[in-house]
Amino acid sequence: GAVVSQHPSWVICKSGTSVKIECRSLDFQATTMFWYRQFPKQSLMLMATSNEGSKATYEQGVEKDKFLINHASLTLSTLTVTSAHPEDSSFYICSAREWGTAPYGQYFGPGTRLTVT
Amino acid sequence: GQQLNQSPQSMFIQEGEDVSMNCTSSSIFNTWLWYKQDPGEGPVLLIALYKAGELTSNGRLTAQFGITRKDSFLNISASIPSDVGIYFCAGQNQGGSEKLVFGKGTKLTVNP
Repeated sequence: GAVVSQHPSWVICKSGTSVKIECRSLDFQATTMFWYRQFPKQSLMLMATSNEGSKATYEQGVEKDKFLINHASLTLSTLTVTSAHPEDSSFYICSAREWGTAPYGQYFGPGTRLTVT
Repeated sequence: GQQLNQSPQSMFIQEGEDVSMNCTSSSIFNTWLWYKQDPGEGPVLLIALYKAGELTSNGRLTAQFGITRKDSFLNISASIPSDVGIYFCAGQNQGGSEKLVFGKGTKLTVNP
């Protein structure tokens, strides 16, 4: 149980284009999902908290207009990187918390490698 | 913001040896979590700790939630080659926020 998937697993896009990354909880409902960014050999950096049916909460320094988050259902959250630039190249990972359980133990997706050329 | 100090940064051990790593914080957490991340993949939850003083095992892994709520350790006994990876500790704030604060990771290398 508690499986989280991400799609795509990797993507290459040209500078100036937009990329959408999907995060799905496969066998549970997730009222809250989180989006992280990870640079090589570094730890995970929380970008935003995504709540089903409401606006996402962004961490300080994260541009909400650049990283659009939509949590339209209890099993799907999407992250759209708009007008991507090479510095947006990174490993993006989502996590989800199962509805009805205590607020600990987030389950992570396998990550999406974004390369902007 | 809150930070976790995780040590050591890296470890090189022989297969069969035991491993110990720890995390400390300047502030209190109400939950400690330990994750393992393989290259190019997302972190996998190993152990979750919910109470101060709690000692929990998962196979060859044992973790403890410090009495002060400001630290936690993870032990791996009789290491095997597949233990290779990066181990992260994570703390959850006492204020009730679901956000996790991550340590910088411990990279484990196991020589066969």
